[in-house]
Amino acid sequence: QITLKESGPTLVKPTQTLTLTCTFSGFSLTTSGVGVVWIRQPPGKALEWLALIYWNDDKLYSPTLKSRLTIAKDTSKNQVVFTMTNMDPVDTATYYCAHRADGSYSNYWGQGTLVTVS
Amino acid sequence: QSVLTQPPSVSGAPGQRVTISCAGSSSNLGAGYDAHWYQQLPGRAPKLLIYGNNNRPSGVPDRFSGSRSGTSASLAITGLQADDEAVYYCQSYDINLVDSWVFGGGTKLTVL
Repeated sequence: QITLKESGPTLVKPTQTLTLTCTFSGFSLTTSGVGVVWIRQPPGKALEWLALIYWNDDKLYSPTLKSRLTIAKDTSKNQVVFTMTNMDPVDTATYYCAHRADGSYSNYWGQGTLVTVS
Repeated sequence: QSVLTQPPSVSGAPGQRVTISCAGSSSNLGAGYDAHWYQQLPGRAPKLLIYGNNNRPSGVPDRFSGSRSGTSASLAITGLQADDEAVYYCQSYDINLVDSWVFGGGTKLTVL
């Protein structure tokens, strides 16, 4: 059974750096084809893909946010850490981590964590 | 503005059939990349509904089906039920945006 859970601050101040951790179980980030993605959703708005890390440590970032994002994995802890620098109130959103299936879609999602920038 | 374009809302009566469109371009759906669909109930995380254009994960009823043709994709829901009321998102992959995942803006389905 695959599960993922996001953790981190619920409130950050403008200009601060946001650090979120995705702790997962039921799969390994050393298995070929596997990845973990971060996606966010501002209140009442659409989903926005942010970043993806693959089993082989390749990384992809949203081109519009790339300069502010970092994603890294700790396979020994079954965790993926996501950081976003220079937070702004427009970055207020629910941040989700999700399992990336071999086909570039997410078949398992965390419950999400609401981050408010104020 | 989303890379994939969906109608903001659709509606239908219980038992009816509705379709939700997802318009892309030559750099995503038109390039042969698959369409995937998610259902998001109020206050919940998105749930995978359709993957690889027309495949249902285990547990998703066959009332839900998907298709892709050219630069667009669509989701069809037959036998509409009250608990189908949700927001539906399409998602694909785009090569113009330096290998990015892209989402549609979401479609709110109202069951009348």
